[in-house]
Amino acid sequence: GQNIDQPTEMTATEGAIVQINCTYQTSGFNGLFWYQQHAGEAPTFLSYNVLDGLEEKGRFSSFLSRSKGYSYLLLKELQMKDSASYLCAGLDSNYQLIWGAGTKLIIKP
Amino acid sequence: NAGVTQTPKFRVLKTGQSMTLLCAQDMNHEYMYWYRQDPGMGLRLIHYSVGEGTTAKGEVPDGYNVSRLKKQNFLLGLESAAPSQTSVYFCASGAGLAANEQFFGPGTRLTVL
Repeated sequence: GQNIDQPTEMTATEGAIVQINCTYQTSGFNGLFWYQQHAGEAPTFLSYNVLDGLEEKGRFSSFLSRSKGYSYLLLKELQMKDSASYLCAGLDSNYQLIWGAGTKLIIKP
Repeated sequence: NAGVTQTPKFRVLKTGQSMTLLCAQDMNHEYMYWYRQDPGMGLRLIHYSVGEGTTAKGEVPDGYNVSRLKKQNFLLGLESAAPSQTSVYFCASGAGLAANEQFFGPGTRLTVL
């Protein structure tokens, strides 16, 4: 079956760095997405990885290892506004997104 | 540009009632999707469309129907609502299949009593 696993909740301190991990099992693989979702709002796109390695975009970076079925989202210089859920989603061979349940990130001052 | 809009934002139904959720996008996207989001679970695809006049089943299509008569609109219908359909429904649109991000509407919070 297809499955996306990520931690349910994480806590970090303002100004620090946090890494949110995601492991995936999909039928075929056409890339890995990360979305951010603030409480009560819609998900918004953060990153897309299809090749191994690290993609950096400002304070956010995303890493992919296809051989390990593993990705992480790295958030640097955490701000209170980064408190949100972070959704990992794999694109399968039918180009459909398989979504994880999301990681709720709590930022403490 | 409004992006993706959904109506209504909230709705309470009684078991057996019917309703239609409307999604509209102004980005000229070919692909449109309906998802439901339940606590502790990932987004689940209900139905999707790859262009005007086309629809296809997703992961959890039972109890729902859809129509895409115009490129910019994607309607989700519940013919006979059940408490199990209590959820937050998100519509999304995208330009293509692969690397293209999906743009989400603000969601419809539906409660079925």
